[in-house]
Amino acid sequence: EPEVTQTPSHQVTQMGQEVILRCVPISNHLYFYWYRQILGQKVEFLVSFYNNEISEKSEIFDDQFSVERPDGSNFTLKIRSTKLEDSAMYFCASSGLGAHNNEKLFFGSGTQLSVL
Amino acid sequence: AQSVTQPDIHITVSEGASLELRCNYSYGATPYLFWYVQSPGQGLQLLLKYFSGDTLVQGIKGFEAEFKRSQSSFNLRKPSVHWSDAAEYFCAVAEGGSQGNLIFGKGTKLSVKP
Repeated sequence: EPEVTQTPSHQVTQMGQEVILRCVPISNHLYFYWYRQILGQKVEFLVSFYNNEISEKSEIFDDQFSVERPDGSNFTLKIRSTKLEDSAMYFCASSGLGAHNNEKLFFGSGTQLSVL
Repeated sequence: AQSVTQPDIHITVSEGASLELRCNYSYGATPYLFWYVQSPGQGLQLLLKYFSGDTLVQGIKGFEAEFKRSQSSFNLRKPSVHWSDAAEYFCAVAEGGSQGNLIFGKGTKLSVKP
């Protein structure tokens, strides 16, 4: 089965630093998503992306966050100035036609972000 | 607002025993419902989903779930658990038409004893 690939698997950063989490979605997919899971808490939706723009975002996705599809294959999540509370597992997902078209999301294995 | 409740944080069953993981949702209209499994070090894998139609949904790995509107539930079941089923299971709901804005429950960790 095709896979969504996330790198790195674990990222450690100092508070206040910028961090970029990288994802390679499945090649013919059109819809891309970021979710996060703080330890012991629920998986939370951050943002969805389609046609080179954000289509939906949650309250968590504030001005410190941005997403980009820089080269047609990668999909990145940038946190401009990390805070301790940004420590979480970040999941990337992609979908061919989007969840609203009954298409399932394919999730990556996640990047564990630790902010010190 | 939509919400998902998984009342059991941790369940232990014997290999070969039956399994039922509970999920209750809060949503006004007919929801889109999902069960995902997360094995250690792995991403979230979709087990099954319900959008409409038959309320008993078959999924991968021998799992099934039943949508009961009257109880606002979408419980996951498996008749005979295998050791490889040990993982964390997440129930999720999506607003109809939402482009992937899934709302997840806190998860139920399943342990399987020999």
